[in-house]
Amino acid sequence: AQSVAQPEDQVNVAEGNPLTVKCTYSVSGNPYLFWYVQYPNRGLQFLLKYITGDNLVKGSYGFEAEFNKSQTSFHLKKPSALVSDSALYFCAVREGGSGNNRLAFGKGNQVVVIP
Amino acid sequence: NAGVMQNPRHLVRRRGQEARLRCSPMKGHSHVYWYRQLPEEGLKFMVYLQKENIIDESGMPKERFSAEFPKEGPSILRIQQVVRGDSAAYFCASSPDRGREAGELFFGEGSRLTVL
Repeated sequence: AQSVAQPEDQVNVAEGNPLTVKCTYSVSGNPYLFWYVQYPNRGLQFLLKYITGDNLVKGSYGFEAEFNKSQTSFHLKKPSALVSDSALYFCAVREGGSGNNRLAFGKGNQVVVIP
Repeated sequence: NAGVMQNPRHLVRRRGQEARLRCSPMKGHSHVYWYRQLPEEGLKFMVYLQKENIIDESGMPKERFSAEFPKEGPSILRIQQVVRGDSAAYFCASSPDRGREAGELFFGEGSRLTVL
């Protein structure tokens, strides 16, 4: 079964510092990986995805993620965090078969950016 | 272009009542996915539907829960005889018909069910 793990519960970072949110995956075959962000009492917003191609994927709001096959990781990064980046971040992997975009989500990481 | 629309945003039910949650996918999207988010937990897949067809219901509880996506109108997630453990946020997501491409899901704002 396809799955992702987000090992940390909460990530605290000072405003202006680099932000990293960790995600590792376990899949059979080629992984299709995603990052979403959720603000309080809102739905999930898509940030970026990796399907194939360059290992460094750039997404919305200045976020990027690096696909690392040898470490089975897909960490989300932002060079300089903003207070407005404080939210819940989910890593996800497609677990449906062909034509089924069903995603399996990690438990989420709460990011707190300290002014 | 309107996003995924869910209603109601908040719903309060007493134990034993029925809850109906509605989802209208984005324009041009014909695939609907329902997820449940329990407090302090991630999202759990429930069901995947296309118009008039349930494609994948591997995450649906065996009893009391049902879903439909009729030819006309929104998709509906129905919970009969609700219990307190059903209290959660229910999210609908849609995706366009892109064949085998792994497309992202577009989520609605969610329906928050509280069972008293």
